[in-house]
Amino acid sequence: EVQLVQSGAEVKKPGESLKISCRGSGYSFSNYWIAWVRQMPGKGLEWMGIIYPRDSDTKYSPSVQGQVTISVDKSLSTAYLQWSSLKASDTAIYYCARQDGSALFYFDNWGQGTLVTVSS
Amino acid sequence: QTVVTQEPSFSVSPGGTVTLTCGLSSGSVSSNYNPSWYQQTPGHAPRTLIYSTNTRSSGVPDRFSGSILGNKAALTITGAQSDDESNYYCALHMGGGNWVFGGGTRLTVL
Repeated sequence: EVQLVQSGAEVKKPGESLKISCRGSGYSFSNYWIAWVRQMPGKGLEWMGIIYPRDSDTKYSPSVQGQVTISVDKSLSTAYLQWSSLKASDTAIYYCARQDGSALFYFDNWGQGTLVTVSS
Repeated sequence: QTVVTQEPSFSVSPGGTVTLTCGLSSGSVSSNYNPSWYQQTPGHAPRTLIYSTNTRSSGVPDRFSGSILGNKAALTITGAQSDDESNYYCALHMGGGNWVFGGGTRLTVL
């Protein structure tokens, strides 16, 4: 069974750094793109970026480029989303999602979400 | 920047049919964008409903169907049930590994 399991909720202060994770299991992790999707409080889904674990090829949405870093550790079958200096506006639920491997271009499995709260 | 448009809200009666749409602020949605649809209830992760315009994901009831209607992608729910009261999001693959989600439609069944 394919599973994406995300790290737990975080409460941080503005200016702090953070790295959240998404561990894949039940499939060949290296061969499937993993995306990060943001959902701000009461708002819709927003695609942030995507990474291909095999070669770490990464794409970012223009709205988050330079604000976050997406990375991967193939040996741990884990993708990461990190911030060097959090802002209150980073408060959101963050989902990881697997892009299908058949060039059908959709997200076929989702993590459970990680709630990040940034508050002084 | 590309904006994907969806109706903010829609209402359907139980047993009724509703069609939600997914358009582009500039241009037409075609199958080339591989439109997909996701259902999300509050407090839960999204669930994949439809991909490649009109293919139902595993386990999705056949009352959900996808299509291209005119210049938009469409999600039709036939015989709506109370369980279908959710938020629905479309997503378009813009090429080059880039994606855009629509703003979502809040569907009320009453």
